[in-house]
Amino acid sequence: RKEVEQDPGPFNVPEGATVAFNCTYSNSASQSFFWYRQDCRKEPKLLMSVYSSGNEDGRFTAQLNRASQYISLLIRDSKLSDSATYLCVVNEEDNNDMRFGAGTRLTVKP
Amino acid sequence: DVKVTQSSRYLVKRTGEKVFLECVQDMDHENMFWYRQDPGLGLRLIYFSYDVKMKEKGDIPEGYSVSREKKERFSLILESASTNQTSMYLCASSLMSASSNQPQHFGDGTRLSIL
Repeated sequence: RKEVEQDPGPFNVPEGATVAFNCTYSNSASQSFFWYRQDCRKEPKLLMSVYSSGNEDGRFTAQLNRASQYISLLIRDSKLSDSATYLCVVNEEDNNDMRFGAGTRLTVKP
Repeated sequence: DVKVTQSSRYLVKRTGEKVFLECVQDMDHENMFWYRQDPGLGLRLIYFSYDVKMKEKGDIPEGYSVSREKKERFSLILESASTNQTSMYLCASSLMSASSNQPQHFGDGTRLSIL
């Protein structure tokens, strides 16, 4: 079983739609969680950290569910520019290596 | 803003060659990482380093070595390149923190093709 699993998609949604991605992780000791965004043929870029209490940044909301060991990313009012691959990342405390999901591909269409 | 610079965006080498991929960061980060990214497999950690002259194996170190002689520079070496090492290589760096893990910042990536 992979340590970090994501639905690879692709998710094809119209502009203005709300879309949500889930990511499950297997290590219950994981402490730090992040969502990265990667455009085609580009490097991953940090989208947002995920905090225990959940956090929001504009149209993006991240949630953590420790009991079920998953994190989620919600995108409201999707824009064409949101089209990208979204990578889920988890890390144990005091451990330098992060575990990446394979990514979920999102395409927002006009 | 953190800047992680990889020496080449595209590189073509031949089987058996020794290949050097260079990475430099300008934010005095302690941690540096080398990943490869392949379709359907996501990012896989090759090696990482948390200090000068220190290195730790990641998930797939076979066929690779690294060098960290200076804090800002982390080099990935393919001792004898093989075709299955054709991939996108990503370097990243992060700050060491006692309280929580800091996010990693990535370079632009190097697309390496081994013929």
